[in-house]
Amino acid sequence: SQTIHQWPATLVQPVGSPLSLECTVEGTSNPNLYWYRQAAGRGLQLLFYSVGIGQISSEVPQNLSASRPQDRQFILSSKKLLLSDSGFYLCAWSGSGTGVYEQYFGPGTRLTVT
Amino acid sequence: AQSVTQLGSHVSVSEGALVLLRCNYSSSVPPYLFWYVQYPNQGLQLLLKYTTGATLVKGINGFEAEFKKSETSFHLTKPSAHMSDAAEYFCAVSGYSSASKIIFGSGTRLSIRP
Repeated sequence: SQTIHQWPATLVQPVGSPLSLECTVEGTSNPNLYWYRQAAGRGLQLLFYSVGIGQISSEVPQNLSASRPQDRQFILSSKKLLLSDSGFYLCAWSGSGTGVYEQYFGPGTRLTVT
Repeated sequence: AQSVTQLGSHVSVSEGALVLLRCNYSSSVPPYLFWYVQYPNQGLQLLLKYTTGATLVKGINGFEAEFKKSETSFHLTKPSAHMSDAAEYFCAVSGYSSASKIIFGSGTRLSIRP
C-alpha cells in the first residue's frame, strides 16, 4: 500500500531564516506531487505541483520554491521566511498520466514564523 | 474554469441527527467530485468520490453524497451523526487533465452537540 510522509511535524522559525520541508511517498512510482498551504481557519491553497522529476509548476507567486530531486521526493523551501508564511503545509500525491485521480494527503507540517 | 462553493462555514447538529453539508460546483467540463474530511492537526482523508455512473455515492464512516447535474450540487449526508464526526469537511472538483489538479471549497466545520 502507498504511504506519504512529511517532516518535520511542527516547526518554529524566526523571520528571515531558511526553510526546508520534505515529503516522500512510498509504494507507488511516478506520482503527481502537490504542496498546499492552509492558513488558520482557511481553505487549501495549492502552491506547487509536479508531474515528474525536475518538473515544477508554481500556482502562486510567493516567497517559496519547490524541488523534486527524486521520483518520490518533494521539497518545499524558502531562503528567507516571512510572518505570512505561517500555516499548515500539506503534501499530497495522486496517480499520473491523463485522467482524473484523487489526491492522498500527508499528515502535514505546522509552521510558525516568529 | 472550475469552482466550488460550500454553503455554511459552520454546521452544528445534535448527536443522532441528520448531517447535511452543502456543496455546489461550477465546471465547464464533466466534473469529478470529492469530499474530504480533516480532523484537527491532521491531513485530509478522502471520504468519497464521484467520477461517472451511479449518482449516489457511498463513502466511509456512513457518509454518502448525491451528484445532481441539474442542480450542480454534490451534498454530503449522514443519517445519524456521531460525536466522532466532528471535523472540517471539504468539497472538491476536478476535471480531466494531466495534472489532476483539484479545486477545493473553503470547508465546513461540523460540530456535534451531545
